[in-house]
Amino acid sequence: GDSVTQMEGPVTLSEEAFLTINCTYTATGYPSLFWYVQYPGEGLQLLLKATKADDKGSNKGFEATYRKETTSFHLEKGSVQVSDSAVYFCALTGGSNTGKLIFGQGTTLQVKP
Amino acid sequence: SAVISQKPSRDICQRGTSLTIQCQVDSQVTMMFWYRQQPGQSLTLIATANQGSEATYESGFVIDKFPISRPNLTFSTLTVSNMSPEDSSIYLCSVDEYTEAFFGQGTRLTVV
Repeated sequence: GDSVTQMEGPVTLSEEAFLTINCTYTATGYPSLFWYVQYPGEGLQLLLKATKADDKGSNKGFEATYRKETTSFHLEKGSVQVSDSAVYFCALTGGSNTGKLIFGQGTTLQVKP
Repeated sequence: SAVISQKPSRDICQRGTSLTIQCQVDSQVTMMFWYRQQPGQSLTLIATANQGSEATYESGFVIDKFPISRPNLTFSTLTVSNMSPEDSSIYLCSVDEYTEAFFGQGTRLTVV
């Protein structure tokens, strides 16, 4: 079945460092891909998404490109801030029902001043 | 964007009892989704709830353990029945609107 694999955390970075969180997927067909973020004490929020190959999703300085050839959707940010400390989830949906998501295991990011 | 309210936000329950979690959406939606997030784990879909029909459960989840109601287009409940410590998790309600999924704050359940 479909699945998502994320790099293990926690990831600890200094402020202004470059961030990469790896995400690879296995899916039949052409899934849509998502990154969700869960800030401490808050609910899950959509960070960015891409619905077809070579699409780049971006938001709040974060980017991820849908790479069909490598089945990847790595999350990147050029300069992280302390406020980016959160848990990041990569997810996919296999069809038009975008409410039915398959999540990766989540990666905890801690940014130190 | 959809706003989702879940109640209770947290609870501590005795094993063998049941807890009903409520999910209220500020707009009418066709489908509502219930997820479980076990400690240190990712989110797993429990079931999809459509108004006017029985919920559709994912593999590993059964109606007797997780009965769901969907009385109208803005409300759903999930009951965790005959609880054991293994049911200690965060339970989240979600809706799909314009190709984006929105989540409630979650219900943190601890079973003792």
